[in-house]
Amino acid sequence: SAVISQKPSRDICQRGTSLTIQCQVDSQVTMMFWYRQQPGQSLTLIATANQGSEATYESGFVIDKFPISRPNLTFSTLTVSNMSPEDSSIYLCSVEHGGLTDTQYFGPGTRLTVL
Amino acid sequence: AQKITQTQPGMFVQEKEAVTLDCTYDTSDPSYGLFWYKQPSSGEMIFLIYQGSYDQQNATEGRYSLNFQKARKSANLVISASQLGDSAMYFCAMRDEGAQKLVFGQGTRLTINP
Repeated sequence: SAVISQKPSRDICQRGTSLTIQCQVDSQVTMMFWYRQQPGQSLTLIATANQGSEATYESGFVIDKFPISRPNLTFSTLTVSNMSPEDSSIYLCSVEHGGLTDTQYFGPGTRLTVL
Repeated sequence: AQKITQTQPGMFVQEKEAVTLDCTYDTSDPSYGLFWYKQPSSGEMIFLIYQGSYDQQNATEGRYSLNFQKARKSANLVISASQLGDSAMYFCAMRDEGAQKLVFGQGTRLTINP
């Protein structure tokens, strides 16, 4: 499986500000995924990021609010813009790395609190 | 549309007992994959086990096994000889053939009592 790191691991931010979360993988991967997990809830996919193309966003998520960069095959960033308390969540990146099963492996997550 | 249902919000089990976590799914695609993840309080998502829709045998990984009943559309996770470290949230997830995203159930919080 791939080794995935995320920065920061947690942060407390003021409303109206923006936070950029980094995701680094120890091997080259085609697709990276960004998920949100609101308190007490399950995971919801925000967008899929392929290197060299625009990210594909799921219904309910827009690029202005969650801009994503994918500059190379081992790195991606997710920005949470103009934050409100409703953005308080765990944000997780994942990659497919499993041969025939295409299992997704997750980073350790970024725990965000917006005051 | 894909849907995953986990009907047990919480489970309490004595240490060393076996536990079954329920998962049912709904899809119109004949080819799909089913996954189980463990999420400790730290928040990370740990992959446990995978079952493909065409797999003839139930998947096993150490103390984890998947009771796959295709006709019933269920994919229950069985943990044998539970340990205190098994206390966590457990999520069932599915991906249809050709789809890239995982769809997750609501999760089951498992607590192992000493």
